[in-house]
Amino acid sequence: ILNVEQSPQSLHVQEGDSTNFTCSFPSSNFYALHWYRWETAKSPEALFVMTLNGDEKKKGRISATLNTKEGYSYLYIKGSQPEDSATYLCAFWNAGNNRKLIWGLGTSLAVNP
Amino acid sequence: SAVISQKPSRDICQRGTSLTIQCQVDSQVTMMFWYRQQPGQSLTLIATANQGSEATYESGFVIDKFPISRPNLTFSTLTVSNMSPEDSSIYLCSVETPTEAFFGQGTRLTVV
Repeated sequence: ILNVEQSPQSLHVQEGDSTNFTCSFPSSNFYALHWYRWETAKSPEALFVMTLNGDEKKKGRISATLNTKEGYSYLYIKGSQPEDSATYLCAFWNAGNNRKLIWGLGTSLAVNP
Repeated sequence: SAVISQKPSRDICQRGTSLTIQCQVDSQVTMMFWYRQQPGQSLTLIATANQGSEATYESGFVIDKFPISRPNLTFSTLTVSNMSPEDSSIYLCSVETPTEAFFGQGTRLTVV
């Protein structure tokens, strides 16, 4: 059974704080690891798709790292802003013909002004 | 990329009734995916909808409960049949490229 776990489940921070979340996933049969940002009443929005061990990606104040050998990824937000408030989901994409996205529960982030 | 228009965005339905959710994609795609997120649960794949053939359902989901139509390469519907309060969820349709998944805005369903 493939399992993707995210921690923490929820997080409340003050504007300007930096924060990070963890996603753990199976270290075998790896194809890609996705990070999505999901705001209420909107479509989940892709942040990063990471495929190589040691990958580091950055988009503005948000960055992510990937360790496929030990099966974890970190998402960092530097200087959190209220508009960063959302649920951050990671998803594991397995290798092979029967490829499926396996989703974590998400980390719900609330940034207080 | 792909832009997906999903409707309705939300609905409140009586138990025992059915609701059909529609998704329109701005480009032709071979497969469309239907997900559900129950409260406190992760996004779970219900089925994969292929044009010209029956949908492929994941374990725990059956066609009688979640019939799917895929009349062409840009459109699909998911029906939630004979609803009960346990069907209260967010339902999402999705398409995938080799590198990314794109989603509709979601349908927030409450069954009373």
